[in-house]
Amino acid sequence: DGGITQSPKYLFRKEGQNVTLSCEQNLNHDAMYWYRQDPGQGLRLIYYSQIVNDFQKGDIAEGYSVSREKKESFPLTVTSAQKNPTAFYLCASSISIEAFFGQGTRLTVV
Amino acid sequence: GQQLNQSPQSMFIQEGEDVSMNCTSSSIFNTWLWYKQDPGEGPVLLIALYKAGELTSNGRLTAQFGITRKDSFLNISASIPSDVGIYFCAGQPDNAGNMLTFGGGTRLMVKP
Repeated sequence: DGGITQSPKYLFRKEGQNVTLSCEQNLNHDAMYWYRQDPGQGLRLIYYSQIVNDFQKGDIAEGYSVSREKKESFPLTVTSAQKNPTAFYLCASSISIEAFFGQGTRLTVV
Repeated sequence: GQQLNQSPQSMFIQEGEDVSMNCTSSSIFNTWLWYKQDPGEGPVLLIALYKAGELTSNGRLTAQFGITRKDSFLNISASIPSDVGIYFCAGQPDNAGNMLTFGGGTRLMVKP
């Protein structure tokens, strides 16, 4: 089935560690996005990529990094520079304006 | 970035009641989308609107693209317990390519 797969569903990280969240899509979409969602909040854009080997910072890129080596994959690394990383992370992809989301990864810093 | 004001922030209604929520912006949008997010899951697209004045239904859901292009509303008729979740509006600003701006969400709770 076509879709967007995020893994893992739950992730725990110790302070000071980097961690990478996976996002894979088989929808043949050119554009991919990472959003952060905090409790009771809307979605804030971290990074986006409109095409392979190219990506742009969103509104809250500090402390995060991404790569887009393949069309299907857009991993997000939460670095130790991100001071408040505990949140729900959502990956999305689109071919036009309608974005389709993965199931999310809940990251908790312990 | 652009701001979308979504209201109300939360609603607690009785099963069977109708629900209305809306999003407004100070600037023009080319597209309005409405999503629903179940707890612990990613948002799912409910309705997409592409033209000012457009009124579109999806089952018990009806959404409209405001004639000024600065607002949109979503109505849910005869609510049921599985309507519980967070509803987000998202818009494509006039000068932002394919980028979406999201509202803060409306949390809907339905009492059986």
